[in-house]
Amino acid sequence: GQNIDQPTEMTATEGAIVQINCTYQTSGFNGLFWYQQHAGEAPTFLSYNVLDGLEEKGRFSSFLSRSKGYSYLLLKELQMKDSASYLCAVVDSWGKFQFGAGTQVVVTP
Amino acid sequence: GAGVSQSPRYKVAKRGQDVALRCDPISGHVSLFWYQQALGQGPEFLTYFQNEAQLDKSGLPSDRFFAERPEGSVSTLKIQRTQQEDSAVYLCASNRDTTSVETQYFGPGTRLLVL
Repeated sequence: GQNIDQPTEMTATEGAIVQINCTYQTSGFNGLFWYQQHAGEAPTFLSYNVLDGLEEKGRFSSFLSRSKGYSYLLLKELQMKDSASYLCAVVDSWGKFQFGAGTQVVVTP
Repeated sequence: GAGVSQSPRYKVAKRGQDVALRCDPISGHVSLFWYQQALGQGPEFLTYFQNEAQLDKSGLPSDRFFAERPEGSVSTLKIQRTQQEDSAVYLCASNRDTTSVETQYFGPGTRLLVL
């Protein structure tokens, strides 16, 4: 998605915290999703934000600021299995999902 | 089925060959989406169905790409006269409807390699 920006890669150690930022500019806004995608597998749903603020779900939290066109996904207590690509997806006013290029998170021992 | 299934999982085609990719959505899901995902990129929207109606095909890259869902369940994405730039993973996703925003459930994808 050319209007959705997220870092290409982030590296962190096991047990640490990593924050993946996503900025967007789209035609209308109907919510923002975060997906996790392991290599060679389907994207799987992590979180959904439509109102400003923080949504917490276990080790994963997601934050949204609609006025700033900004979201982040926070991964706490990193585990080796968290090594994956994390996709930010914005739903526009037509209900279409627009995906960012994904952030590859590498967790090291 | 329990989830979205796609077949084949892998397809190697010679340039110029026609291919057909199949998607079985979750039973009862009204909406079905096709995406193209290049290596190291996010999924790019191709087309969208609500039941058997193709409501948006704005993402299809050329008239060589054609999708159908004749009975409102299984869908087929057909690529005619394949080119090397068509090499990608083709993902299918479904959800219950689009009257309210909800997550899409993705299949494992078909990895297409055009030689």
